[in-house]
Amino acid sequence: GENVEQHPSTLSVQEGDSAVIKCTYSDSASNYFPWYKQELGKRPQLIIDIRSNVGEKKDQRIAVTLNKTAKHFSLHITETQPEDSAVYFCARGMNTGFQKLVFGTGTRLLVSP
Amino acid sequence: GAVVSQHPSWVICKSGTSVKIECRSLDFQATTMFWYRQFPKQSLMLMATSNEGSKATYEQGVEKDKFLINHASLTLSTLTVTSAHPEDSSFYICSASFLAGGTDTQYFGPGTRLTVL
Repeated sequence: GENVEQHPSTLSVQEGDSAVIKCTYSDSASNYFPWYKQELGKRPQLIIDIRSNVGEKKDQRIAVTLNKTAKHFSLHITETQPEDSAVYFCARGMNTGFQKLVFGTGTRLLVSP
Repeated sequence: GAVVSQHPSWVICKSGTSVKIECRSLDFQATTMFWYRQFPKQSLMLMATSNEGSKATYEQGVEKDKFLINHASLTLSTLTVTSAHPEDSSFYICSASFLAGGTDTQYFGPGTRLTVL
């Protein structure tokens, strides 16, 4: 179906630890996979994205991996900091000529100092 | 670049009234804009896709006569919630597609919190 499954729903880590959030999808037409960070009451902000022609992308402490065969992708945050605490949403883009996004259910990340 | 604004940021209205929410791309032209609804502690649910100069495409289960969308220019889309009821209370967020380098990315507005009394 259309849904994107996201796990875990909540994640608590100590400052400095790594955090990993995983998403799975079923629509093989998907070719764009962004990750958004949303703080309480604010807009989702794009933190990293990956397109289906690559398997991994890294930007400083954040990395995303994509396994298109298995239809799953993951967000990796290293050396977590308290300001990383937020809700993270994965999404997949449907190849319809414009990037209609279907969002995962979200992961609430709490980084304790 | 790629800034999207929304107005108002919050609105409280009486049941039965209509509310208009504006979404603007400030520094780029957005052929396509999207409207989402987000209930507390839930994910973003796409309501409709808005293309400049044409009728919006609504997602299954979203009433097009209740949620009127107008995309009159490349920088402005509006969502009107007609005959609002308490169950319409939610966080409404728009996004706009920004095309750069052959790929497009969605940037979100700050959202509008609607409370229907």
